[in-house]
Amino acid sequence: DAKTTQPPSMDCAEGRAANLPCNHSTISGNEYVYWYRQIHSQGPQYIIHGLKNNETNEMASLIITEDRKSSTLILPHATLRDTAVYYCIVWGSVNAGKSTFGDGTTLTVKP
Amino acid sequence: DTEVTQTPKHLVMGMTNKKSLKCEQHMGHRAMYWYKQKAKKPPELMFVYSYEKLSINESVPSRFSPECPNSSLLNLHLHALQPEDSALYLCASSQTQPGAWGTGELFFGEGSRLTVL
Repeated sequence: DAKTTQPPSMDCAEGRAANLPCNHSTISGNEYVYWYRQIHSQGPQYIIHGLKNNETNEMASLIITEDRKSSTLILPHATLRDTAVYYCIVWGSVNAGKSTFGDGTTLTVKP
Repeated sequence: DTEVTQTPKHLVMGMTNKKSLKCEQHMGHRAMYWYKQKAKKPPELMFVYSYEKLSINESVPSRFSPECPNSSLLNLHLHALQPEDSALYLCASSQTQPGAWGTGELFFGEGSRLTVL
């Protein structure tokens, strides 16, 4: 299974952009990069996913490097409610549906 | 309806009890999952059902027994558990079967918090 590496924790000022990096150097050609977040005591929530192109939705933007070995999740204007654990996952047919979560990054948004 | 509903939210059981966790979705998803999450750890995949058939069992002890009675329901039967099995049990579903291209997002329930005494 492709592994992901994320910094254990990050801080961000409220209203500023939060940039969360993820390393997935062993990603295979048909594996997608997914991002989820988990707010304390809740189930994980889907944020965004992509294959090779950059993606944007109402929650965030996903920037994937050209070699696909790393990606960055961008929350453009972080709020206190964005404080959560953010997980980067690679998932596709190579790992036969085994969506393995890494240790994630605890993002703390401060006033 | 984009919800995955898990019941009960909290469960306390003794090591000799038999209990079940239930999960339901009405999104027409054909893949359903059980995850186990210990405190301050990421979710760990336990089982995957695809089209109501067990497709992945991550070497889970037999005291955990999954069941998928139909495409909307997923159960986890619990028997002779140990205190170390205390955890948050998360159910999830996705539109397509595992292993397909772009399997799509996982929809998670809020979890069932299990305490084994």
